[in-house]
Amino acid sequence: NAGVTQTPKFRILKIGQSMTLQCTQDMNHNYMYWYRQDPGMGLKLIYYSVGAGITDKGEVPNGYNVSRSTTEDFPLRLELAAPSQTSVYFCASSYRGGYNEQFFGPGTRLTVL
Amino acid sequence: GESVGLHLPTLSVQEGDNSIINCAYSNSASDYFIWYKQESGKGPQFIIDIRSNMDKRQGQRVTVLLNKTVKHLSLQIAATQPGDSAVYFCAENLAGGTSYGKLTFGQGTILTVHP
Repeated sequence: NAGVTQTPKFRILKIGQSMTLQCTQDMNHNYMYWYRQDPGMGLKLIYYSVGAGITDKGEVPNGYNVSRSTTEDFPLRLELAAPSQTSVYFCASSYRGGYNEQFFGPGTRLTVL
Repeated sequence: GESVGLHLPTLSVQEGDNSIINCAYSNSASDYFIWYKQESGKGPQFIIDIRSNMDKRQGQRVTVLLNKTVKHLSLQIAATQPGDSAVYFCAENLAGGTSYGKLTFGQGTILTVHP
């Protein structure tokens, strides 16, 4: 099992550009999450999904969009990138919510200039 | 929403010592707590968890203590090793068993272990 994989590892965007951060898990997990981590801070939840076709907002959803067409994939879309979106983005998955352990990917470091 | 915070942003210990990392939470409705370890350039890794109906849980070299009276959580690492050097986060999950797993993370504590 590769677990949770994310691409790209690094990316630099110009203000106003758009991009998609990819996340794939091969553990057949139902739940998937996107977090962002700003320097010296803990992670904050952007969006989450409880299954294919079902997504919902987390704590900081503004400026982002998600989709979940398959169990394995949960891409995060940034539209009109802003410097405030400079961060490290982590994708995670779990079999279910509640007390189930979340497994994290290695992260994508995004810089918006 | 309510936030989880840490008392100490940095902790330096000698190899072989025991380490204690603290965390305060403010939401008395929090039902489930998790400790994560994050090494440089990597994603968080689960260490240990505890539900609100417990006050202590032990793993391999790690113990989590929960004091609901003062809303305090701690992670104890026995015989700390250089490989334990990392950032440690506590996270809380409101209504743990019935929730969608939405976690609120604390700021983190940097643990440095000196040989």
